[in-house]
Amino acid sequence: AQSVTQPDIHITVSEGASLELRCNYSYGATPYLFWYVQSPGQGLQLLLKYFSGDTLVQGIKGFEAEFKRSQSSFNLRKPSVHWSDAAEYFCAASTSGTYKYIFGTGTRLKVLA
Amino acid sequence: EPEVTQTPSHQVTQMGQEVILRCVPISNHLYFYWYRQILGQKVEFLVSFYNNEISEKSEIFDDQFSVERPDGSNFTLKIRSTKLEDSAMYFCASSYRTNPYEQYFGPGTRLTVT
Repeated sequence: AQSVTQPDIHITVSEGASLELRCNYSYGATPYLFWYVQSPGQGLQLLLKYFSGDTLVQGIKGFEAEFKRSQSSFNLRKPSVHWSDAAEYFCAASTSGTYKYIFGTGTRLKVLA
Repeated sequence: EPEVTQTPSHQVTQMGQEVILRCVPISNHLYFYWYRQILGQKVEFLVSFYNNEISEKSEIFDDQFSVERPDGSNFTLKIRSTKLEDSAMYFCASSYRTNPYEQYFGPGTRLTVT
């Protein structure tokens, strides 16, 4: 069955430190991959997406993600975290022939001053 | 920047009552979706809607649920007879005709069934 896994439920980093949030997928074919961020009281905001081509994708707010087919992963990274990055981050996937997303469970990021 | 809006932000209802959750998608989007997130669980797909009909639905979306685009701007989710287990955050999303895979989400409606 198709699935998306985010192994880390909570992550705490210090402001200015680097960040990597993990996402693994299980799909028959290469899916379309997305990272969304949700701040309290806000909707899900699209950070970045991967459809095909260059495996390193740049997104908004200084985030990037790397698609690794061999590891079935699409990890989100940021070189230097800001306090305003504290939020919940969701990895999601879709595939050709369906527009529905399958989401991971989310990772809640806490940033220490 | 255009955004998806949802009303109300929080709805409390009694078991067995009907509720209608409302969404205003981005104005030139043609694909519409509902997802839900039960507290502590994953965001789950409910239904997609295009050209005034359901294009896909999940097994969660049973006869108690219905969707409608009553006019050119609103997209609604109706739960006919709410159950305790319908308590969740409900997200509306929309996407362009030319890129339906890139979905824009609203802030959600928290539904509490008592």
